[in-house]
Amino acid sequence: EIVLTQSPGTLSLFPGERAILSCRASQGLTSSLNFLAWYHHKPGQAPRLLIYGASSRAPGIPDRFSGSGSGTDFTLTISRLEAEDFGVYYCQEYGPSSWTFGQGTKVEIK
Amino acid sequence: QVQLVQSGAEVKKPGASVKVSCKASGYTLTAYYMHWVRQAPGQGLEWMGRINPNTGGTTYAQKFQGRVTMTRDTSISTAYMELSGLRSDDTAVYHCVRESGGIHDYFDYWGQGTQVTVSS
Repeated sequence: EIVLTQSPGTLSLFPGERAILSCRASQGLTSSLNFLAWYHHKPGQAPRLLIYGASSRAPGIPDRFSGSGSGTDFTLTISRLEAEDFGVYYCQEYGPSSWTFGQGTKVEIK
Repeated sequence: QVQLVQSGAEVKKPGASVKVSCKASGYTLTAYYMHWVRQAPGQGLEWMGRINPNTGGTTYAQKFQGRVTMTRDTSISTAYMELSGLRSDDTAVYHCVRESGGIHDYFDYWGQGTQVTVSS
C-alpha cells in the first residue's frame, strides 16, 4: 500500500504570496498517467477537487492553482494566495484498488 | 445537478452498528462507483471502500475488512454504509463520494457528511 507524506504540516503566509505544498509517495504511482489528485477542504464544507492527473485543473478551478510532479514527488502551487484559500489541502492517490490520502497541509492566511 | 444527500447524525454505544444512507440525484446511481470516506476529529481524510452500484461489487480498505458493509438500493437511488463493532475511535464524519469515472478515478461529488458519535 502506498503511503503519501505531505509537507509542511502547516503553512502560514500573507495574501499574495506563493504557497508550495509537497506530496511524496512511498513508492512510484502505479500508472504513468499519474493518478494523483489534490483537494481543498474548508471546515464545515465538503472537500473540493482542485487537480487530477497530477497537473490537470478541475473545471472551475482558478489558474493560480497548479500541480506538477511524477513518480514519487508531487507539488501543488498556489501562485498568489487569496483569503479564501485557507484550509487543509490533501493529496490523494486514486485507483485501481486503493484511494489513499496524505495527512494534509494546513494553510493559514496571515 | 448532481447531489448526494446523507442521513442525519447518529449517536451509538460501543459495540453497536450504524448504517448511513446516501441518496443520489441528478444522475443514474448505477453509472458511477460510490465511495465512503471518513474524518475523525482533528484527523485527515480516510478512505473506507467503494461499491459498484451496478453490480453490488465492493472493495474495502484493509483496515475496515470484516466491519464494514456497503450496499445499495437502485430502486431509490441510495447507497448505504454499515459499520459494526463500533469503538470510540470510530467517532467521525462519514461522507459518501462519487467516483468520476473514465480514466481518472478521482472524487468529483461529495455528500454533506454524517456525524457518527460513539459514546457510552
